[in-house]
Amino acid sequence: AQSVAQPEDQVNVAEGNPLTVKCTYSVSGNPYLFWYVQYPNRGLQFLLKYITGDNLVKGSYGFEAEFNKSQTSFHLKKPSALVSDSALYFCAVRDMGRRALTFGSGTRLQVQP
Amino acid sequence: GAGVSQSPSNKVTEKGKDVELRCDPISGHTALYWYRQSLGQGLEFLIYFQGNSAPDKSGLPSDRFSAERTGGSVSTLTIQRTQQEDSAVYLCASSVDRGNTGELFFGEGSRLTVL
Repeated sequence: AQSVAQPEDQVNVAEGNPLTVKCTYSVSGNPYLFWYVQYPNRGLQFLLKYITGDNLVKGSYGFEAEFNKSQTSFHLKKPSALVSDSALYFCAVRDMGRRALTFGSGTRLQVQP
Repeated sequence: GAGVSQSPSNKVTEKGKDVELRCDPISGHTALYWYRQSLGQGLEFLIYFQGNSAPDKSGLPSDRFSAERTGGSVSTLTIQRTQQEDSAVYLCASSVDRGNTGELFFGEGSRLTVL
């Protein structure tokens, strides 16, 4: 079975500071990892994905994520947070055999001006 | 349109009634997914369609839930004899499904409230 854990319900950060949203996963075999963002009253939008190759993946809006196989983690990062980054962030995983993405419970990011 | 379209955007119904939720995926996307998002919860997988293959129904919570996809495009999720615990936002997504690596494109959801 595949699963995703997002240990923080909410992350608060001041504008201009770096941010990290944590994600750990469990799959059999090699994982395909994704981050999505959900702005208020909107659908989910794709941010970035790790399939293979370089462990540091860059995505939309200046976000990046680092795949760490030994720690089974895929933390989302941004060097300098913006107030407009405030949203709900979901990590998701799919193993090679299962077609459906399994999502984490989400982490609400609040960036204070 | 360019994105995934869902209707209705909001549905209020009485306990015991049946409801149908519709999803129009992005043209050319062969994979279609239904997820459910309850208040304060993550996304719960319901069902997955891929081309002409048999759908993956492993996430459907009970036999009151069913879904079909006609002509490989539009999909309808049906909930029979609705219960209050069915209240949630139902999200549809589609993808090109390049061997499991393609990202999903989500609609804005159908908010279901069961009174």
